[in-house]
Amino acid sequence: DIQMTQSPSSLSASVGDRVTITCRASQSISSYLNWYQQKAGKAPKLLIYGVSYLQSGVPSRFSGSGSWTDFALTISSLQAEDFATYYCQQSYSPPQTFGQGTKVEI
Amino acid sequence: QVQLQESGPGLVKPSGTLSLTCVVSGGSISSDNWWSWVRQPPGKGLEWIGEIYHSGTTNYNPSLRGRITMSVDKSKNQFSLILSSVTAADTAVYYCAKSGNIFGYVTDSWGQGTLVTVSS
Repeated sequence: DIQMTQSPSSLSASVGDRVTITCRASQSISSYLNWYQQKAGKAPKLLIYGVSYLQSGVPSRFSGSGSWTDFALTISSLQAEDFATYYCQQSYSPPQTFGQGTKVEI
Repeated sequence: QVQLQESGPGLVKPSGTLSLTCVVSGGSISSDNWWSWVRQPPGKGLEWIGEIYHSGTTNYNPSLRGRITMSVDKSKNQFSLILSSVTAADTAVYYCAKSGNIFGYVTDSWGQGTLVTVSS
């Protein structure tokens, strides 16, 4: 299985901050890297797929970058509604594996 | 816009069998999508369980292989998960989801999730 390692596991930030979450794959996954946002008690929501493609309806303050094994999710100016847990996921090969999650809190 | 809704017992006894169904609305289960199950133990992260195509082709998580069976019912536009020999470690919110062909297959729609507790 491909292991996905996110860092940090949690972070504290304020509204307006620039936030970056990183994700490392245990082997090359080309560009098959996706990011999800999950709020408490809700299903995950797809934010970014294929490293940097924004899902329809997702605000442009979210962006993704990286390639092969190292990836990042950046929120350019954190908003109140962005406080949530974020997961990376590889869809390169089954089993599709997730990172352990990064909780973004105040 | 495809919508998914999980259903099934919320309580299963240890060593018993967990059985869940996901009804697909707003689209055909025979379209070019993979249909998957993901679970999340309370307070923990996401675990991919497996996926099925409308042809019946499956991919399962090796960590659960031997205990999982997935199936598709085209007449009812739904798909199902059976997990046998459950233990307390299988207690989780179970999500059904759709993976659309947008960049390879990406999980882009999720059900609301259903909590399954394994307890006597």
